[in-house]
Amino acid sequence: EIVLTQSPGTLSLSLGERATLPCRASQTLSSNYLAWYQQKPGQAPRLLIYGAFNRATGIPDRFSGSGSGTDFTLTISRLEPEDFAVYYCQQYGSSPKTFGQGTKVEIK
Amino acid sequence: EVQLVESGGGLVTPGGSLRLSCAASGFTFSGYTMNWVRQAPGKGLEWVSSISRDGTYIHYADSLKGRFTISRDNAKNSLHLHLTSVRAEDTAVYYCVRDHGLLLPFDLWGQGSLVTVSS
Repeated sequence: EIVLTQSPGTLSLSLGERATLPCRASQTLSSNYLAWYQQKPGQAPRLLIYGAFNRATGIPDRFSGSGSGTDFTLTISRLEPEDFAVYYCQQYGSSPKTFGQGTKVEIK
Repeated sequence: EVQLVESGGGLVTPGGSLRLSCAASGFTFSGYTMNWVRQAPGKGLEWVSSISRDGTYIHYADSLKGRFTISRDNAKNSLHLHLTSVRAEDTAVYYCVRDHGLLLPFDLWGQGSLVTVSS
C-alpha cells in the first residue's frame, strides 16, 4: 500500500497569500497518478487536480499542481475567501487508492 | 442533472447490519467504476471498496476483513454496500464516488450517508 504524507496538517495564511501544500508518497507513483481534492465543512470532496497537474473541469487557474515521482505540490496562487478548506492528495495508480491525511488551510 | 444520491444510513447497533444504496442519474452508469469512500467524524478520507463497470472486478480495503460487500445493478443505475458485523469504528459518512480509472479519478461524489454504530 502506498502511503501519502501531507505535512503540515494546518496552514495559517492570509487572503491573497500564496499557499503551497506538499504531498509525499512512500514510493514512486506510476505515470504521476496523483490527484488533489478540496473539502469544505459539511460538503463532499471536490476534485481539483488529476494527473499531478491537470485541472478538473471548472477549477480556477489559481489552483495548480506540480511534481513527479514521490514529491508533489498543490499551489494556490492567491487565496480567496472560498479557498479556506481541507485539501487531500490521493494516488490512483495502484490499489488501494490511498489518500493523504489532509492539510487544512485556515485564515490567519 | 449528473448526480449520485446515497440512502440507507442511520443508527445501527454493534454487530448489526446495514445496506447503503446510491442512485446514479444524468450519466451512463455502466460506463464507470464505482467506489465507496468513508470519513469518520473529524477525520480524513478512507477508500472502502470499488467495483468495475460490469461488476467483474471488486476490491476492498484490507481493514474491512471481509465484513462489507459491494454490488451494483446497471439496469437500475444503482450501487450498494452491505455492511455486516459493524463496529464503532465503522461510524462515518459513506460517500458513493464515480471513477473513470486512470483517465480521471474520483470526479463525482454523492452528498454522503451517515452511519452511526452505537448501542
